[in-house]
Amino acid sequence: DTAVSQTPKYLVTQMGNDKSIKCEQNLGHDTMYWYKQDSKKFLKIMFSYNNKELIINETVPNRFSPKSPDKAHLNLHINSLELGDSAVYFCASSQGRKETQYFGPGTRLLVL
Amino acid sequence: AQTVTQSQPEMSVQEAETVTLSCTYDTSENNYYLFWYKQPPSRQMILVIRQEAYKQQNATENRFSVNFQKAAKSFSLKISDSQLGDTAMYFCACTSGGSYIPTFGRGTSLIVHP
Repeated sequence: DTAVSQTPKYLVTQMGNDKSIKCEQNLGHDTMYWYKQDSKKFLKIMFSYNNKELIINETVPNRFSPKSPDKAHLNLHINSLELGDSAVYFCASSQGRKETQYFGPGTRLLVL
Repeated sequence: AQTVTQSQPEMSVQEAETVTLSCTYDTSENNYYLFWYKQPPSRQMILVIRQEAYKQQNATENRFSVNFQKAAKSFSLKISDSQLGDTAMYFCACTSGGSYIPTFGRGTSLIVHP
């Protein structure tokens, strides 16, 4: 059983489109995250979210928005995609923010 | 704010030998947590080892151990008896402060040669 899953694994789209990446965790964790990993492998947190609090990295454009229908899911919605959004996006979860994060397999997004 | 620095972009080691990856961090908080994560070519991020700052004893996990020097704000990872499967990017990370938002270093690419 996959602990943290993401769909799709690959996403190729045109500039200006709107897309979503889904994330689900079956670990019963209360905190979920989204990260962006650029071509140089730099991993930057975008959002941290639990059922009480959303913390947004202030450098993230407001075209990016997390949506959580329930504790087990944190989807990432991106409006008006730009070339610079091309990257690998990772979802992760943990039980509390101090604890180990479990990562999904990543979604490779390519914006043409 | 916290920072994490990995000064070695790339390292290589022969199979069965020992290698140490460096990590330094900076945080103004007294309570924080340090992590090493591994990202093999499969892209999956996997926890290697975790250290709580208030614990003086260095964390160990099988062939992986850390040298945690709190005063120097250093958190190096030692891999003993290196195996081909250890080939991966290794990321050092720190969480601290009230929000515990993690900060990752830029990673060290480790190649284990047969």
